[in-house]
Amino acid sequence: DAMVIQNPRYQVTQFGKPVTLSCSQTLNHNVMYWYQQKSSQAPKLLFHYYDKDFNNEADTPDNFQSRRPNTSFCFLDIRSPGLGDAAMYLCATSRGRRQETQYFGPGTRLLVL
Amino acid sequence: AQSVTQLGSHVSVSEGALVLLRCNYSSSVPPYLFWYVQYPNQGLQLLLKYTSAATLVKGINGFEAEFKKSETSFHLTKPSAHMSDAAEYFCAVSVPSNSGYALNFGKGTSLLVTP
Repeated sequence: DAMVIQNPRYQVTQFGKPVTLSCSQTLNHNVMYWYQQKSSQAPKLLFHYYDKDFNNEADTPDNFQSRRPNTSFCFLDIRSPGLGDAAMYLCATSRGRRQETQYFGPGTRLLVL
Repeated sequence: AQSVTQLGSHVSVSEGALVLLRCNYSSSVPPYLFWYVQYPNQGLQLLLKYTSAATLVKGINGFEAEFKKSETSFHLTKPSAHMSDAAEYFCAVSVPSNSGYALNFGKGTSLLVTP
């Protein structure tokens, strides 16, 4: 089945230690998104890639970076995680960047000690 | 700015009863509206999507939603609740973002189904 895969499902890191979260997709979609969802809150868009074109949301902290080496993979890098970065990180894809359906992965829950 | 408001952060229904989850939107242009469901420790799954083709939208798992422009609403309903429907439900509107579109989510409604 075509899908969005996120690894790992749970990630524990230490305060200030860089961490990378991974997302891959078999849908061959052009757009990949990263959302942050804190406990009992709605998902919040951090940034997205349209093909290789990176688009950052205005209020996304500089601590968060992303890479998309090819169509299938996208990475979220947190350079110096703080306690406030503990959250569920959701990857999503869509075929295009018009008002299309976004398909979500299962998420990675990040714990910062 | 386009946004959605979900009325009621928690809704409890009995198994077999009608499910009604409320969502109101604010938009100066015809909106694209979505309902997603999130089970514990899972990602979001699309239930249904409104794109102006039809005001009554049928989704998966027996859910449907009706777009009412006069009331600026897009409420989600299901005639008979199942225990497996217990989850978090998010209403969302597609909004222009940095060279594309993003989903602007409501705060979510947690649905509890009791036996």
